[in-house]
Amino acid sequence: KNQVEQSPQSLIILEGKNCTLQCNYTVSPFSNLRWYKQDTGRGPVSLTIMTFSENTKSNGRYTATLDADTKQSSLHITASQLSDSASYICVVTSENSGYALNFGKGTSLLVTP
Amino acid sequence: KAGVTQTPRYLIKTRGQQVTLSCSPISGHRSVSWYQQTPGQGLQFLFEYFSETQRNKGNFPGRFSGRQFSNSRSEMNVSTLELGDSALYLCASSSLTGETGELFFGEGSRLTVL
Repeated sequence: KNQVEQSPQSLIILEGKNCTLQCNYTVSPFSNLRWYKQDTGRGPVSLTIMTFSENTKSNGRYTATLDADTKQSSLHITASQLSDSASYICVVTSENSGYALNFGKGTSLLVTP
Repeated sequence: KAGVTQTPRYLIKTRGQQVTLSCSPISGHRSVSWYQQTPGQGLQFLFEYFSETQRNKGNFPGRFSGRQFSNSRSEMNVSTLELGDSALYLCASSSLTGETGELFFGEGSRLTVL
């Protein structure tokens, strides 16, 4: 069964600090990997989408990395802000027929003053 | 460009009732997919429609159904509501299929079943 595991489940950091969220997957064959940010009570918003050939992608202070060999991805947040407090969801897409999006359960990030 | 619009945003129902949720995708998007989100399970795929045809369906009972109209607007219906159906229901639209295109999510419909 294709799985997407995210760690840590929750994280608290001080404003201005950096942090890294992890996503490990067993999805195969791999098509793309996405990171979403979801504020409480809102819909998820796309941060990055990476295909097999991409190993780094940035969106402002967010940088995602992908190692397709080890099936690991990370999302690095630089100089965190209070507005970064949210849930971050990793989604891995398979090339299999049928519905192919596999969702992680997310990492809940709290940035404190 | 208007985003994905979901209505209603909040609703309260009692067990045994049915509910219909609506989703208007971004103009030009032909794919609409639906998700259930609960604290314990995270996001779970319900179904996806593309040009009025259901492409895929998740592992949910037949009480959950949907449809898409010719203008790409979509509705989902849940019949015989159960307490466990309380959740945030999200829809997302895409210019391509859900697997290949970027997903744009609405703000969700928060359903509470009493």
